[in-house]
Amino acid sequence: DGGITQSPKYLFRKEGQNVTLSCEQNLNHDAMYWYRQDPGQGLRLIYYSQIVNDFQKGDIAEGYSVSREKKESFPLTVTSAQKNPTAFYLCASRTGTDHNSPLHFGNGTRLTVT
Amino acid sequence: QKEVEQNSGPLSVPEGAIASLNCTYSDRGSQSFFWYRQYSGKSPELIMSIYSNGDKEDGRFTAQLNKASQYVSLLIRDSQPSDSATYLCAVRILTGGGNKLTFGTGTQLKVEL
Repeated sequence: DGGITQSPKYLFRKEGQNVTLSCEQNLNHDAMYWYRQDPGQGLRLIYYSQIVNDFQKGDIAEGYSVSREKKESFPLTVTSAQKNPTAFYLCASRTGTDHNSPLHFGNGTRLTVT
Repeated sequence: QKEVEQNSGPLSVPEGAIASLNCTYSDRGSQSFFWYRQYSGKSPELIMSIYSNGDKEDGRFTAQLNKASQYVSLLIRDSQPSDSATYLCAVRILTGGGNKLTFGTGTQLKVEL
């Protein structure tokens, strides 16, 4: 089955540690996205990538980093510089050939930093 | 002004009734519009997409778009308890840097027995 796999589902870290969230897709989608969701808030865009080896900052990129070395993979690193890292992180992808194509989401990773 | 605005709710409707969810957006350059449903603790799933003015129907769902007034709505007919969820409106703007989808904060829908 084609889809987007995020791992792990739950992640716990101590303050000051970097942590990397995995996102893999086998949909052959060109574009991949990372969003963050906090309680009572909508999804906020962290980073996105439209092609391999290229990515752009979203609205809240500070304290995060990404890489896009393979089409299938778009890992997100939450660095110690992120002030409030505890959140629900969602990875999404879409085909890049159609500007109107919708986003498809993974199941999310819930990160808790104490 | 927020780019995409929704009433947070909760919107409560009785089972079998029509639920009407509304969304307004600020950028007149917005190209395409999506409704996602999100159950508590889960990821969003696509319900409807609409690109042109007017209505688009899919089963019990109807999306309505009015670009002149900058609003998009979602109607759910014959509402069921399983429709109870948060509904996210998303708007796509084609920017110089790429293709950006902006989400509203969502409207919580409760369908009561």
